[in-house]
Amino acid sequence: LAKTTQPISMDSYEGQEVNITCSHNNIATNDYITWYQQFPSQGPRFIIQGYKTKVTNEVASLFIPADRKSSTLSLPRVSLSDTAVYYCLVGDRGSSASKIIFGSGTRLSIRP
Amino acid sequence: DVKVTQSSRYLVKRTGEKVFLECVQDMDHENMFWYRQDPGLGLRLIYFSYDVKMKEKGDIPEGYSVSREKKERFSLILESASTNQTSMYLCASSSRDSKDNEKLFFGSGTQLSVL
Repeated sequence: LAKTTQPISMDSYEGQEVNITCSHNNIATNDYITWYQQFPSQGPRFIIQGYKTKVTNEVASLFIPADRKSSTLSLPRVSLSDTAVYYCLVGDRGSSASKIIFGSGTRLSIRP
Repeated sequence: DVKVTQSSRYLVKRTGEKVFLECVQDMDHENMFWYRQDPGLGLRLIYFSYDVKMKEKGDIPEGYSVSREKKERFSLILESASTNQTSMYLCASSSRDSKDNEKLFFGSGTQLSVL
C-alpha cells in the first residue's frame, strides 16, 4: 500500500477553514483514500472517503486531484471541538483481507 | 449504528500474567483488527482477522496472540505480560461499501497497565 505523509501538527482559529494535505505519491489504481479523526482517549472515527475528484459530507470535504498523488481534507469553519488528530489512510479495493496501517497523523489545535 | 465493544476500559495486570482483551462487534463484519497506541506514536497494527479462525500478523505481533472462534468476537492475548506492553489497545471491525471501500469502526479502547 502507498505510504502517506502528513504534517505533524497544524494550528488554526475558530471559524476558519482548515485544509490538511496528505501526500501519497505511490498510490495505485485500485487504492482509495480515507480520513479518520481521533480525540484523546478514544478510538478513531471515520470522517470521509473518496477515490477521485471531490467528496463532501456533513462534516468535511475531500479534494483529490487528477493524479491522485495527494488529497486534502477540508474542515469548514472549525470550532474548538475539532481539536484532534487526523489520519489519512490509503486502502486497496482489490484486497479482501487488507492490512490497514495508520501513519502518525496530523495534530490539529484550534484556538479561540 | 455499528457497535464495537471492548470488555474493559482500564486494566491493571502484573508482569508475567496472562491477559485477555475481548472485543465484540454487532454488525456481522468479516474483518477485525487489534491496534496499540502509545504516546507520540500512531496506531500500530498487532493482528487482524478476515474470517473465523483466520488471522494475519500486523506490524508488531511479537508477544501477542489472537483468537477468533466466532465471527463477532476477536480476542487479544498477552501470554506473559511485560511492562513494555503497557499501552492503549484499540479493537476495530470493518465493512466494505458497494465500491469496495473499507471503513473501520473502533471500540473505546482498553488502557492496560502492566506493573
